[in-house]
Amino acid sequence: NAGVTQTPKFQVLKTGQSMTLQCAQDMNHNSMYWYRQDPGMGLRLIYYSASEGTTDKGEVPNGYNVSRLNKREFSLRLESAAPSQTSVYFCASSALGDTYEQYFGPGTRLTVT
Amino acid sequence: AQSVAQPEDQVNVAEGNPLTVKCTYSVSGNPYLFWYVQYPNRGLQFLLKYITGDNLVKGSYGFEAEFNKSQTSFHLKKPSALVSDSALYFCAVRDGPDSWGKLQFGAGTQVVVTP
Repeated sequence: NAGVTQTPKFQVLKTGQSMTLQCAQDMNHNSMYWYRQDPGMGLRLIYYSASEGTTDKGEVPNGYNVSRLNKREFSLRLESAAPSQTSVYFCASSALGDTYEQYFGPGTRLTVT
Repeated sequence: AQSVAQPEDQVNVAEGNPLTVKCTYSVSGNPYLFWYVQYPNRGLQFLLKYITGDNLVKGSYGFEAEFNKSQTSFHLKKPSALVSDSALYFCAVRDGPDSWGKLQFGAGTQVVVTP
């Protein structure tokens, strides 16, 4: 039982390049989330998917797109990377419902030069 | 709107002494409150949550937290800290069922436990 997995672990991009961060969970969770973590700012929600087939914007969605490919997978795409998107990105999942805790992946450290 | 504050950037404590990490929140309805811990270069791990019921909540690794509605606080506590408790701790709040999916995290408190 791997929990939540993310690929890649590290990535360096040049300004304007695009990339997709992959996330998968094997806990049969309905809900999935993408966060970014910046020093001194905690975690900020980028997008979330309450259930398969739905996605919604979080606190900081600009510059990102998401795809809920199926119940297991939720990807985050940067179409044209900017230095302001340098961050650590975490994917999380939870059972359906707002009282359930979220389970986090190990993170992707992204640097945009 | 919901918000959460962790007033201390860092807490230093000697091993064996009590550990407290502070958290205050602001919501319009009834809060759902969570504590997470992050070890270096790892994702966040769930410690405990308050949804309803007893104000004292017990969680993983000997941690507990007390919900205080009048002071809008949810402080994390451990009676006797270990060096292995050194990590980054996050408080998070959800503003009840009307803010589904939108968990608001505090900025985090670095805990340093010295031998």
